Amino acid sequence: ETGVTQSPTHLIKTRGQQVTLRCSSQSGHNTVSWYQQALGQGPQFIFQYYREEENGRGNFPPRFSGLQFPNYSSELNVNALELDDSALYLCASSLVQGAGTEAFFGQGTRLTVV
Amino acid sequence: QQQVKQSPQSLIVQKGGISIINCAYENTAFDYFPWYQQFPGKGPALLIAIRPDVSEKKEGRFTISFNKSAKQFSLHIMDSQPGDSATYFCAASKGYSTLTFGKGTMLLVSP
Repeated sequence: ETGVTQSPTHLIKTRGQQVTLRCSSQSGHNTVSWYQQALGQGPQFIFQYYREEENGRGNFPPRFSGLQFPNYSSELNVNALELDDSALYLCASSLVQGAGTEAFFGQGTRLTVV
Repeated sequence: QQQVKQSPQSLIVQKGGISIINCAYENTAFDYFPWYQQFPGKGPALLIAIRPDVSEKKEGRFTISFNKSAKQFSLHIMDSQPGDSATYFCAASKGYSTLTFGKGTMLLVSP
């Protein structure tokens, strides 16, 4: 177990709706990254939060947004859901300080948009 | 533009055989190359990683070979077991920053 937990594990939403996914980081980690993994593909980087500030963003539209809280937990929000947003959403936590640490992934949230 | 190319897409190996998965990268700024293992319904789990100052790293049955001049690295799984059946992803990053993943290799180890 990585100590990174995500909720919910599965979610079904209707096109046009909004969704919030949650991630609890491993203890001691100060950085959270979110990835989208479409079926049969590798994870694609969405964005990263370091000490509550966005610290990098991949090629995703602004309707993908996030938050990181003082306890380093995080949320991913997606507005105006599209069918192509159906995917496994992964969060990964790490420690960015000194030499740093590897990223540890949660089990993911499977989002289905119908 | 795919910065990390992974092959093969799928692989079938007999129990006890050697599984080999290859990756090539383009960005010379990358200096951290991990391999992740993913089982259905689970998140990726870090398997083994290497930095470009060494050409090989071995942990148990898993070995990474790294060729900096060719910008290639590979995962070798010795004495492959049915429990190794999973999807394997190579990735690359600069430091421990955001990871760029390959498309994955689905490995099936037949009993």
